[in-house]
Amino acid sequence: GDSVTQMEGPVTLSEEAFLTINCTYTATGYPSLFWYVQYPGEGLQLLLKATKADDKGSNKGFEATYRKETTSFHLEKGSVQVSDSAVYFCALSPSGGGADGLTFGKGTHLIIQP
Amino acid sequence: GAVVSQHPSRVICKSGTSVKIECRSLDFQATTMFWYRQFPKKSLMLMATSNEGSKATYEQGVEKDKFLINHASLTLSTLTVTSAHPEDSSFYICSAIGDISEAFFGQGTRLTVV
Repeated sequence: GDSVTQMEGPVTLSEEAFLTINCTYTATGYPSLFWYVQYPGEGLQLLLKATKADDKGSNKGFEATYRKETTSFHLEKGSVQVSDSAVYFCALSPSGGGADGLTFGKGTHLIIQP
Repeated sequence: GAVVSQHPSRVICKSGTSVKIECRSLDFQATTMFWYRQFPKKSLMLMATSNEGSKATYEQGVEKDKFLINHASLTLSTLTVTSAHPEDSSFYICSAIGDISEAFFGQGTRLTVV
């Protein structure tokens, strides 16, 4: 079945550091890929998504590119802020928006120190 | 984005009792709702998919008689954990999809069975 593997946390960085959170997937067909963020005490929020190979999703300074050849969707940000501290989930869906349910990675807890 | 409200956020119950968790879409009509379960340091696992007015579709390995799902209206789905036991203690999260086919998540419910 489908699966998502993302780097284990916690990841601790200083403010303004460069961020990469790795995510790889296994799936049949051509899934859509997502990054969700969960701030303390809140529900998951869609951060960005990509629906086909070579698409780049971006939002709030975060980017991720759908790489079919490496089955990856790594999350990057050039300069992190304390407010980016949260848990980040990589996910995939066989369909465009998650209408078939999502398969999630385990989540990566990101801690940004001032 | 659209709002999905999940209630309660935390519940403690005695072993053998039943607990109901509500998931409401506050500002859109949810044609499909999903229930996920998250174990510590593990992914969110899809438990079941429910469409308004029809029976829920359960994922393999999820006991449909223990986890009763009702999606009686386009804005409300409920998950009832029947005859709860300590191993049912977990974090339960719902999500909802409407016309725009993007999944919106509730804040989650922390269930502790003592």
